[in-house]
Amino acid sequence: DTAVSQTPKYLVTQMGNDKSIKCEQNLGHDTMYWYKQDSKKFLKIMFSYNNKELIINETVPNRFSPKSPDKAHLNLHINSLELGDSAVYFCASSQDWPPGVGDEQYFGPGTRLTVT
Amino acid sequence: AQTVTQSQPEMSVQEAETVTLSCTYDTSESDYYLFWYKQPPSRQMILVIRQEAYKQQNATENRFSVNFQKAAKSFSLKISDSQLGDAAMYFCAYRNAGGTSYGKLTFGQGTILTVHP
Repeated sequence: DTAVSQTPKYLVTQMGNDKSIKCEQNLGHDTMYWYKQDSKKFLKIMFSYNNKELIINETVPNRFSPKSPDKAHLNLHINSLELGDSAVYFCASSQDWPPGVGDEQYFGPGTRLTVT
Repeated sequence: AQTVTQSQPEMSVQEAETVTLSCTYDTSESDYYLFWYKQPPSRQMILVIRQEAYKQQNATENRFSVNFQKAAKSFSLKISDSQLGDAAMYFCAYRNAGGTSYGKLTFGQGTILTVHP
């Protein structure tokens, strides 16, 4: 069974569209994250949720809105897509908040978003 | 804010030999964790090794070991007996053990490792 799964794995869309990426973890973890990896492979955190509550919110355009319907799911909705949103988006999860040393973040396989 | 720097964009090694990847970081915190992640072409991020800042002993995981120099804020990864499957992009990452950035992983720019047969 996949620990952290994301759908879709690839997403090609046009500028101005609205799209969502879904993430699910079956590890029983309390905390989930969204990271963005740009074209230069630089990885940066966007958001983190713990038990459906937002705990980390980096400087991200408000076109990006995370939603956590329950602690096993964290979805990312993006409005009015722009060319610069093209990237790989990774979901991750970890057991606790605050995380301890052994509290590894498990990453999903990533979603490659291409905006044309 | 914490920063992580990997000064080697690319490294290469012959199969069965040893290679060291460099990482430096900047922080004013005294308690934190450091990690090395591997990202093969499949894109999956895999944790290779972790180090607690309060531990003087360097972490080891099979063929992977670190050289943690807290005063110098240096955290290098040594891969011994390199294998073809080690070829990947390697990311150094930092996480505070407390404070306002609790839980947030800060990554370096990555180092692409090529393993030659």
